[in-house]
Amino acid sequence: EDKVVQSPLSLVVHEGDTVTLNCSYEVTNFRSLLWYKQEKKAPTFLFMLTSSGIEKKSGRLSSILDKKELFSILNITATQTGDSAIYLCAVEKQTGNRKLIWGLGTSLAVNP
Amino acid sequence: GAVVSQHPSWVICKSGTSVKIECRSLDFQATTMFWYRQFPKQSLMLMATSNEGSKATYEQGVEKDKFLINHASLTLSTLTVTSAHPEDSSFYICSAPGQGVANTEAFFGQGTRLTVV
Repeated sequence: EDKVVQSPLSLVVHEGDTVTLNCSYEVTNFRSLLWYKQEKKAPTFLFMLTSSGIEKKSGRLSSILDKKELFSILNITATQTGDSAIYLCAVEKQTGNRKLIWGLGTSLAVNP
Repeated sequence: GAVVSQHPSWVICKSGTSVKIECRSLDFQATTMFWYRQFPKQSLMLMATSNEGSKATYEQGVEKDKFLINHASLTLSTLTVTSAHPEDSSFYICSAPGQGVANTEAFFGQGTRLTVV
């Protein structure tokens, strides 16, 4: 059965800290791995990863994929209170409808 | 990027009534739409996959007669919660899968927060 496992499930840090969120997967017909940030509404897209070892970066956020070990990490440096959110990892299948298999998310709280 | 418009963004209804949620793809044609449900501080739970011109595919444990899905055109998919009860109160989100041959991400509607009183 396909599954995506995120860890930790929740995390509390202080502003300025660096955090690493983990996502491991066992999914057949892998197409891509995606990271989303969700605050109060619908998830907002962060990264899509398809190849191993190529870091994607956007400001203080970065992510990388290891297709051999079947995991990805999302790094946030110099965290700010605005980074507080649920971070969702999903794996997209190489099926006709490109179904997403979702992890349970990591709830991040950044305290001032 | 592609836009999925979902409405209403929030709705309050009485027990026993039905509520319809619409998702429209504004600048592309969506042959497939995923419908999710999300409880507070939990991940997205896929309820069903709607397919234009054919029956929706429901996930295990989701009642077809309670959550009616219609995908009558390439730009509109609807979810109707029939005979709503307080336990149906949740956040419902639609999503169109990535488009085209290139790797584009899934596109989400804004979500609908349903409260049944």
